[in-house]
Amino acid sequence: DADVTQTPRNRITKTGKRIMLECSQTKGHDRMYWYRQDPGLGLRLIYYSFDVKDINKGEISDGYSVSRQAQAKFSLSLESAIPNQTALYFCATSDPGGTSLDEQFFGPGTRLTVL
Amino acid sequence: GENVEQHPSTLSVQEGDSAVIKCTYSDSASNYFPWYKQELGKRPQLIIDIRSNVGEKKDQRIAVTLNKTAKHFSLHITETQPEDSAVYFCAATPTAGGTSYGKLTFGQGTILTVHP
Repeated sequence: DADVTQTPRNRITKTGKRIMLECSQTKGHDRMYWYRQDPGLGLRLIYYSFDVKDINKGEISDGYSVSRQAQAKFSLSLESAIPNQTALYFCATSDPGGTSLDEQFFGPGTRLTVL
Repeated sequence: GENVEQHPSTLSVQEGDSAVIKCTYSDSASNYFPWYKQELGKRPQLIIDIRSNVGEKKDQRIAVTLNKTAKHFSLHITETQPEDSAVYFCAATPTAGGTSYGKLTFGQGTILTVHP
């Protein structure tokens, strides 16, 4: 089945380290998103990309950067990790022009801990 | 930008009871309102959605109502079962035009617990 995958699934790192979270999808969707989930705060959008040449900041982009290497790949980087970036990170895809309309399909999540 | 408020943050019901979760939004341009369910340790998944051209949509035990004038929408689950226990998120977005086109803004989430 077509899917959205994330690597790594869990990561523990130290303050100041650079870290990259990777997202791949076999759904053939053009749109990809990065969210972080914190208890009581819901899902907050970090960055989104509507095609390979399109990158947009979400509501909480400070401290993060992204790269859209191909239609199927969207990476999130923390250049210098800090403890308040400890969270569960989700990648998602959507294809408004397809049969799924505006539904977003989420990856399994990456749990990141910054010590 | 859009702001979505969701209440309550936690909801505890007995099996067989109904559960209602409410969301309000701020951007009158929003016209698509999905609900996602996230089971423990799992990824969020769409369970139902509604567009602004209808006031209510039902799918078996779940339904969503929309009041565009008041800018609020609600999720209704009837005859709750233990497997309905999860975190539920509402969201809103415009689906055509504007810089926020197609970008979901989520509510804070509701932890629903259904006791057997």
